[in-house]
Amino acid sequence: AQSVTQPDIHITVSEGASLELRCNYSYGATPYLFWYVQSPGQGLQLLLKYFSGDTLVQGIKGFEAEFKRSQSSFNLRKPSVHWSDAAEYFCAVGPPFTGGGNKLTFGTGTQLKVEL
Amino acid sequence: NAGVTQTPKFQVLKTGQSMTLQCAQDMNHEYMSWYRQDPGMGLRLIHYSVGAGITDQGEVPNGYNVSRSTTEDFPLRLLSAAPSQTSVYFCASRGTVSSGNTIYFGEGSWLTVV
Repeated sequence: AQSVTQPDIHITVSEGASLELRCNYSYGATPYLFWYVQSPGQGLQLLLKYFSGDTLVQGIKGFEAEFKRSQSSFNLRKPSVHWSDAAEYFCAVGPPFTGGGNKLTFGTGTQLKVEL
Repeated sequence: NAGVTQTPKFQVLKTGQSMTLQCAQDMNHEYMSWYRQDPGMGLRLIHYSVGAGITDQGEVPNGYNVSRSTTEDFPLRLLSAAPSQTSVYFCASRGTVSSGNTIYFGEGSWLTVV
């Protein structure tokens, strides 16, 4: 069965510092990979996604993620964090075929706090 | 969250009551699904549909029913609400590979069962 692990429940960084959120997945093949962000009381916003091709994916708000097949990882990075980035971040995987619809498996989330 | 509309946004139910969470999308997407979000557990798939007339169970289907009579609508029914169903519910839809495979989420429905 597919699974997603986000090992860090909480992360605190200073504004302007770099950020890396970890995501490891377990799947029989290369899945579709996603990062979502959720602000308190809000829905999910897609930051970026990986389906195939270049393993370094650029997203919105200055985020990027790198797919590493050998490590089954899809870590999210940002070179300089802004206070408005404080939110909860979810990594998700989905099956790499259309019949899978949108059967996403989510990690448990990483809560990001930004210190001014 | 363009195109996926969930109603109601907030609801309080008494144990044993029934209700329906509505989800509609106007993007002609084939794939729709319902997730619930609980603290420390991320989002878990309840039910999903790959097209009108076709539904299937996800990871946590017990206590919920769905139907897909049209492409646009995918309602989630709680037949007899229980406190364990207190959660935030998200509906999602996705088009085909040719449309970019982007998954769109609704803004969520906060349900409290007392």
